[in-house]
Amino acid sequence: QSVLTQPPSLSAAPGQKVTISCSGSSSNIGNSYVFWCQQLPGTAPKLLIYDNSKRPSGVPDRFSGSKSGTSATLDITGLQTEDEAAYYCGTWDSSLGAILFGGGTKLTVL
Amino acid sequence: QVQLVQSGSELKKPGASVKVSCKASGYSFTNYAINWVRQAPGQGHEWMGWINTNTGNPAYAQGFTGRFVFSLDTSVSTAYLQIYSLKAEDTAMYYCARRRGSSGFFYMDVWGKGTTVTVSS
Repeated sequence: QSVLTQPPSLSAAPGQKVTISCSGSSSNIGNSYVFWCQQLPGTAPKLLIYDNSKRPSGVPDRFSGSKSGTSATLDITGLQTEDEAAYYCGTWDSSLGAILFGGGTKLTVL
Repeated sequence: QVQLVQSGSELKKPGASVKVSCKASGYSFTNYAINWVRQAPGQGHEWMGWINTNTGNPAYAQGFTGRFVFSLDTSVSTAYLQIYSLKAEDTAMYYCARRRGSSGFFYMDVWGKGTTVTVSS
């Protein structure tokens, strides 16, 4: 059971927008920055968003992140079939002194 | 380009030990800590801890003390994860990832492709 809660799965059609949520607490999301990773099947995770809303070079602007209080969201607009992957949120927890990951959301692009 | 190259898959018997390597290239190795992350089959990611590549000081997450050891060889820009007294439940993919950010605001920007460790008799 992950401390950061994500919906296990979501699905949407190509071209649509999807929002993936990540819920935590005051000791983690509420007190730190959130990052998001994408993991395509059989591959290593890839950083998509860091510091709540910043995109590394090369990540399309279809991907955006935000944070409010103890929750964060990853928005993906203009869905493409290659976006079908698992998405994980992560952050630092000051009480545990540890980096935490959400349980992951498997996105299906129908 | 910046990359982390991990060693190949390992098949070990219970009670044995394993050493996974993570070789960095494309940047100054001692400028960024290296995290280790475990992903058991069908499960999410667990942060195992990190090692400060400048001082060599490791920090282990809860649940990863005792049998897990992080080490370095800075002469070849390589970090290592050694697991002793392997158990079946250590069967997992192990990733190394470069740590970015500062105190309390960390993230991982470059990941290795992972090393599969299988523990089976």
